[in-house]
Amino acid sequence: EAGVTQFPSHSVIEKGQTVTLRCDPISGHDNLYWYRRVMGKEIKFLLHFVKESKQDESGMPNNRFLAERTGGTYSTLKVQPAELEDSGVYFCASTLAGNTIYFGEGSWLTVV
Amino acid sequence: GNSVTQMEGPVTLSEEAFLTINCTYTATGYPSLFWYVQYPGEGLQLLLKATKADDKGSNKGFEATYRKETTSFHLEKGSVQVSDSAVYFCALSGANFGNEKLTFGTGTRLTIIP
Repeated sequence: EAGVTQFPSHSVIEKGQTVTLRCDPISGHDNLYWYRRVMGKEIKFLLHFVKESKQDESGMPNNRFLAERTGGTYSTLKVQPAELEDSGVYFCASTLAGNTIYFGEGSWLTVV
Repeated sequence: GNSVTQMEGPVTLSEEAFLTINCTYTATGYPSLFWYVQYPGEGLQLLLKATKADDKGSNKGFEATYRKETTSFHLEKGSVQVSDSAVYFCALSGANFGNEKLTFGTGTRLTIIP
C-alpha cells in the first residue's frame, strides 16, 4: 500500500514567487493534515481537512497560504507570494479517524 | 494551550550507550503522548505512543512512560545502535486522537558513533 506522497521533495524559489506543494494521502483516509517545520524549531500544525472540508485552519500563518482539497483526495498548499520566512519543511499527514497518523517525507522549501 | 518541551540537541553517543531524551508537556485534560522519529531522507514515523497515565509505550527497544504527576514522557533505550541515528520528536494530541492536531516539541537530533 502506498504511503503519503508529497511533491516536490525540494523546491528553491525566489522571494515573491509562487510555489504549490502537493500531497497524496493514503487511499481512503478522510483526514489530511498539513504541518510545517521552520529550521530548528518545532513542527507546527497548519490545517486539517476532513474529506474536502477544512475542519481546522487555525495554524495557517497568513493569507499568503491557501490550501485546497478538491474532491476529498489529494491536497495542495500554495504559497503566494513566498517570503524568506516561509522556508522550511512542509509535512503532510493522513489518517482514518482514531488511528495512527501517517506522515509523508516532507517538501523542503527554500525561499531566496 | 498545549505545549511540548524536549531536550535540546544534538546528542551524540557511542554505540551500546544508554539513551534518555527528556520530554515534558503542558496540556488541558488527558492528552495522548507520542514519540515520532525521522530517519535521514525519510518522513516522520510513529515510534511509540501512550494514551493514558502510567501507560508505557515501547517499540524497537525504545520505551517511554506516561507520567501525569511529572507531566513527562521521557524516551529511553538501553543500548543504542548506529541505525538509531535520527531526529526524535515528542508530541501530544487532545482527547480525540485522529481528529485533533498534534503539538510537537522542537526535535532532538541523535547521532550514534560506532
